[in-house]
Amino acid sequence: KNEVEQSPQNLTAQEGEFITINCSYSVGISALHWLQQHPGGGIVSLFMLSSGKKKHGRLIATINIQEKHSSLHITASHPRDSAVYICAVIQGAQKLVFGQGTRLTINP
Amino acid sequence: DTGVSQDPRHKITKRGQNVTFRCDPISEHNRLYWYRQTLGQGPEFLTYFQNEAQLEKSRLLSDRFSAERPKGSFSTLEIQRTEQGDSAMYLCASSPEGGSGYTFGSGTRLTVV
Repeated sequence: KNEVEQSPQNLTAQEGEFITINCSYSVGISALHWLQQHPGGGIVSLFMLSSGKKKHGRLIATINIQEKHSSLHITASHPRDSAVYICAVIQGAQKLVFGQGTRLTINP
Repeated sequence: DTGVSQDPRHKITKRGQNVTFRCDPISEHNRLYWYRQTLGQGPEFLTYFQNEAQLEKSRLLSDRFSAERPKGSFSTLEIQRTEQGDSAMYLCASSPEGGSGYTFGSGTRLTVV
């Protein structure tokens, strides 16, 4: 079993839908990242959070440390949101342990 | 500062050849990481530097792999006697000590034929 599990692995939705991607982890962490990866490989950090909730534009990330669970929400989804979203937890001296990613496709 | 730079972006090599990749981190970041990502999977940790000291290496990093960060600035990752299983995207990232501001490079995609 992976230390970081994401669900779903693939998600296809229509433009405008509310999207939720889930991440569960089984190890002790100091913080968690949500990352976005577009075709071609570039990875961008969307959020780093260690408690509560963060919001940036149409993106919202929440974390429940006691339940070892985090969610990434996208409101009013748009085709340009299509990408792979990766949950990664920080262990030790900032080393990241990654989930396998969720491939999101938003159709117009 | 233009972020984390990796060179080359793509490398095709024949099995058995040696390859070297370079990573230039954000200049204020004293931590530098190498990760490897195979198709359809999330990245996996390879190694990590704080300044010039290599503080942690994954068991994934076999004897054929070596990484250096000689002056605490740029880093190189060398793979000797490449194998087809080494084909992957090699990602570099850097961060300051606090961890926020974790920044990835665009990666080097290695194909071993």
